[in-house]
Amino acid sequence: SAVISQKPSRDICQRGTSLTIQCQVDSQVTMMFWYRQQPGQSLTLIATANQGSEATYESGFVIDKFPISRPNLTFSTLTVSNMSPEDSSIYLCSVIPAVEAFFGQGTRLTVV
Amino acid sequence: GNSVTQMEGPVTLSEEAFLTINCTYTATGYPSLFWYVQYPGEGLQLLLKATKADDKGSNKGFEATYRKETTSFHLEKGSVQVSDSAVYFCALSALSGNTPLVFGKGTRLSVIA
Repeated sequence: SAVISQKPSRDICQRGTSLTIQCQVDSQVTMMFWYRQQPGQSLTLIATANQGSEATYESGFVIDKFPISRPNLTFSTLTVSNMSPEDSSIYLCSVIPAVEAFFGQGTRLTVV
Repeated sequence: GNSVTQMEGPVTLSEEAFLTINCTYTATGYPSLFWYVQYPGEGLQLLLKATKADDKGSNKGFEATYRKETTSFHLEKGSVQVSDSAVYFCALSALSGNTPLVFGKGTRLSVIA
């Protein structure tokens, strides 16, 4: 299993600013996944973060908007840059140590 | 590619009613299948899972059987409670920790007393 500490749990931010979300895992994992959940929607994968290399982004997501760091096997950050109201969502990190996925509690972001 | 098709909601039931949420999948190989639940204001948590054909996952009165012949993993509960009100996500995973889960669109369940 894995326990993920994600913070902040929520934030209200001004448009044009940036927010960095952190995830700390209690065990070493190769990959960490970042998702966005827009209001009333399912989870959309933003990117996959592998330690020691650049993150792999899904179609529709770019590094300039969502830069990711993965400095070691237990930690990752996602930054939402130059925010607009359309970025208001829940952001979640996830790991899959074996077969089952574990999730952080999510960061509820509101951009005003 | 892999995909999950899930019955769309919202679903509204009276307490003690029978629940079925349909889920079918498309995948290469033999994926593992999951149901995740998201209670209001909370993150996702695993409800149940099945890792091979004919496995039945169960938890908190919920059940789902991995049916390879129909590529389905329908969620059922015989008697729902108000506390079961949540969003339910069907998901599949390749047998590797390096591959992210593929999620269905989610089904919002509301149970009224």
